[in-house]
Amino acid sequence: SQKIEQNSEALNIQEGKTATLTCNYTNYSPAYLQWYRQDPGRGPVFLLLIRENEKEKRKERLKVTFDTTLKQSLFHITASQPADSATYLCALDIPNRDDKIIFGKGTRLHILP
Amino acid sequence: DGGITQSPKYLFRKEGQNVTLSCEQNLNHDAMYWYRQDPGQGLRLIYYSQIVNDFQKGDIAEGYSVSREKKESFPLTVTSAQKNPTAFYLCASSHGQGNEQYFGPGTRLTVT
Repeated sequence: SQKIEQNSEALNIQEGKTATLTCNYTNYSPAYLQWYRQDPGRGPVFLLLIRENEKEKRKERLKVTFDTTLKQSLFHITASQPADSATYLCALDIPNRDDKIIFGKGTRLHILP
Repeated sequence: DGGITQSPKYLFRKEGQNVTLSCEQNLNHDAMYWYRQDPGQGLRLIYYSQIVNDFQKGDIAEGYSVSREKKESFPLTVTSAQKNPTAFYLCASSHGQGNEQYFGPGTRLTVT
């Protein structure tokens, strides 16, 4: 079965630096991969979606890459701010499984002032 | 305002009682989902529905039941058969395959 691994349980980054989060998957390559942000006690909020034929996607200070050879997606936050502190989840689709997606456990990001 | 709502935010029940969690959306989405989140765990899919009057089991459906009588509503019942019901429950909706999911604020259920 498909497995998703997100790097480390917590990541501490100094304010102003670029934070890079990793999402690795095994087995089949998904048609698309999504990134969400979740704050404590709240529901996840969608950030970016990248499809298998796209190498890179950007949105303001966010950038996502998708390497189907490495079976990996990288999520970058440039010029990080303390307000970026949250848990970031990656999710990917399951081919031929209707509308289901599976989520990683998430990486907790702390931006230190 | 368009969005997805869940109620209540906190729910307390005694062991052995069934409890129903509400989920409503006005986004005109066909697909709706229920997830469970435990500390240190990712989201695990309980049930999902792609269209009105149809739903499928997710990965951890045992001890739960749902209905989808209206496009806007997808209530989840946690039955007494669910062995570890205390958790954070999240409802989501989407336009369907290949689209992002919109999540509600969640319901934290505590069963003692």
